[in-house]
Amino acid sequence: GQQVMQIPQYQHVQEGEDFTTYCNSSTTLSNIQWYKQRPGGHPVFLIQLVKSGEVKKQKRLTFQFGEAKKNSSLHITATQTTDVGTYFCAANAGGTSYGKLTFGQGTILTVHP
Amino acid sequence: ETGVTQTPRHLVMGMTNKKSLKCEQHLGHNAMYWYKQSAKKPLELMFVYNFKEQTENNSVPSRFSPECPNSSHLFLHLHTLQPEDSALYLCASSRGQGTGNQPQHFGDGTRLSIL
Repeated sequence: GQQVMQIPQYQHVQEGEDFTTYCNSSTTLSNIQWYKQRPGGHPVFLIQLVKSGEVKKQKRLTFQFGEAKKNSSLHITATQTTDVGTYFCAANAGGTSYGKLTFGQGTILTVHP
Repeated sequence: ETGVTQTPRHLVMGMTNKKSLKCEQHLGHNAMYWYKQSAKKPLELMFVYNFKEQTENNSVPSRFSPECPNSSHLFLHLHTLQPEDSALYLCASSRGQGTGNQPQHFGDGTRLSIL
């Protein structure tokens, strides 16, 4: 089945430093979604990328979808303590697999004040 | 408040027990999902329902039995579970097939412990 590799597994940063997590698939994706899960919470949708080479920004967060639609990244500029949590990418192969998301393992971000 | 409510929040059961997890969504969605989240593992999709029809069973053991009586409610019936089934079970919903791939809205989950 489809696999999605996400790295790094853990990232510890000092408040104000930048953070990036990467997601890679062996197959071409229809689209990719990103979610954030706070400690003790549930995943919350952040964004969906659909087009090859797409770049979207949400305040300090920048999301990219690779030209070949096989990889994606999430970059946070100047992290804050409120950014703490696990960031997941979730890939969909498209076609008849509606709603079938394959999640990456997640990157656990801790931010030291 | 996510619009997706799961009960109970915590459940402890023996391997021979039968119990059910409940999920209800108030978002007007037509697709509902069950996921399993274990420590140090990616979120695992278990079942997908679109307009009350099961469209995905991700090779889930038969001791897990889903039920979707309508687009707003989803159940997961449990029987003769194993210790490795202890995990957080998350329910999610989205707008439904035919609307393009949509964001999924998750409930707070049921923390299940098998003794």
